[in-house]
Amino acid sequence: EAGVVQSPRYKIIEKKQPVAFWCNPISGHNTLYWYLQNLGQGPELLIRYENEEAVDDSQLPKDRFSAERLKGVDSTLKIQPAELGDSAVYLCASSLGVDRGTQYFGPGTRLLVL
Amino acid sequence: RKEVEQDPGPFNVPEGATVAFNCTYSNSASQSFFWYRQDCRKEPKLLMSVYSSGNEDGRFTAQLNRASQYISLLIRDSKLSDSATYLCVVKTGANNLFFGTGTRLTVIP
Repeated sequence: EAGVVQSPRYKIIEKKQPVAFWCNPISGHNTLYWYLQNLGQGPELLIRYENEEAVDDSQLPKDRFSAERLKGVDSTLKIQPAELGDSAVYLCASSLGVDRGTQYFGPGTRLLVL
Repeated sequence: RKEVEQDPGPFNVPEGATVAFNCTYSNSASQSFFWYRQDCRKEPKLLMSVYSSGNEDGRFTAQLNRASQYISLLIRDSKLSDSATYLCVVKTGANNLFFGTGTRLTVIP
């Protein structure tokens, strides 16, 4: 069974440019998470979806970050405009349900903002 | 105060050694507890859940002390392949996972 798929794996952009990350969760997983991981730190939740509904986006910096999960499957996370401090790994994870099953992580997108 | 605190290490131990990692959590209402393993430049993967009664999986033993809000992971007979970062993870009532900074382990031949 395929795991969580993310693309691109790496992205280098200049500051003030927009960037988007894509995630395809494990088939049948209703809950999808986006995390941010800085170097030397653990992942921090940005947003959680239950199907197509964003049920927790309290940690998402809404001035520049946006996310969507149309049709309750794939999701995109966008940053516009990117800042130097956004350089990090963006991890997507999915689980069967919010209170069911392990969270499985994708390989992440490593973003470098110059 | 961070939800989960753990010593970042690094821990450098010889093969065959026993090593223990600890972490503390701040939310007494936390419901579930886990250890995740993260290899360099890879994604975190669930190593094991942690139960109040303690649980063991081969060379790995996890313990939870709810009164002290303290979680531990013991690795016996360390292997080179155990070298990784070990993340202490706590799940709250809102069903969100909070990760510690991770403890880096290097097992030396």
